[in-house]
Amino acid sequence: DIVMTQSPDSLAVSLGERATINCKSSQSVLYSSKKKNYLAWYQQKPGQPPKLLIYWASTRESGVPDRFSGSGSGTDFTLTISSLQAEDVAVYYCQQYHRTPPTFGQGTKVEIK
Amino acid sequence: QVQLVQSGVEVKKPGASVKVSCKASGYTFTTYGISWVRQAPGQGLEWMGWISAYNGNTNYAQKLQGRVTMTTDTSTSTAYMDLRSLRSDDTAVYYCARGDYGDPSRYFDYWGQGTLVTVSS
Repeated sequence: DIVMTQSPDSLAVSLGERATINCKSSQSVLYSSKKKNYLAWYQQKPGQPPKLLIYWASTRESGVPDRFSGSGSGTDFTLTISSLQAEDVAVYYCQQYHRTPPTFGQGTKVEIK
Repeated sequence: QVQLVQSGVEVKKPGASVKVSCKASGYTFTTYGISWVRQAPGQGLEWMGWISAYNGNTNYAQKLQGRVTMTTDTSTSTAYMDLRSLRSDDTAVYYCARGDYGDPSRYFDYWGQGTLVTVSS
């Protein structure tokens, strides 16, 4: 199975500041012939199901604010929240879907400093 | 709008079985697949398996092989997840999530609200 490792486990950021979450996969999730990275990001707030934010590593899901962006390729990926808002307090997960089984990172908790 | 609505809270004893349902609406059920993902209390997300609503093909997580069965009823646009021989470490919130009809591994764009299954003697 592909192991997904996120860093940090938690971070505290001031309102309006940038938050950066990293995700590393144990093997490449780049499908070379299609030039696509099979990597998604989710946001989960307490008591709610995960919500899809980003897929194909950098494509924002419809309705997701543009302060959320995804980048990276191969084995190293980043989710950036450009200007943290109070409603962004949540746990964020990366997920690879290059190989079965799809696997998730352990999660990164984002809080307000 | 797309919705996945799951059945309610379950409390089971060790060794029992549980069947969770996931009723889809707002899209053509047979053009997608459904994955089941669970989350133990305070823990991360674990993929359990997938079923194609198109042709009924399934793919289960290796650790659950033999204990889990996923089915669909296309007449009611409902997916089911049956987990047998329950143990205390099966206590979790169980989610259904919409994925690809032909590939078990895909991103999940819509999720059910979750069903809490508690296994306790």
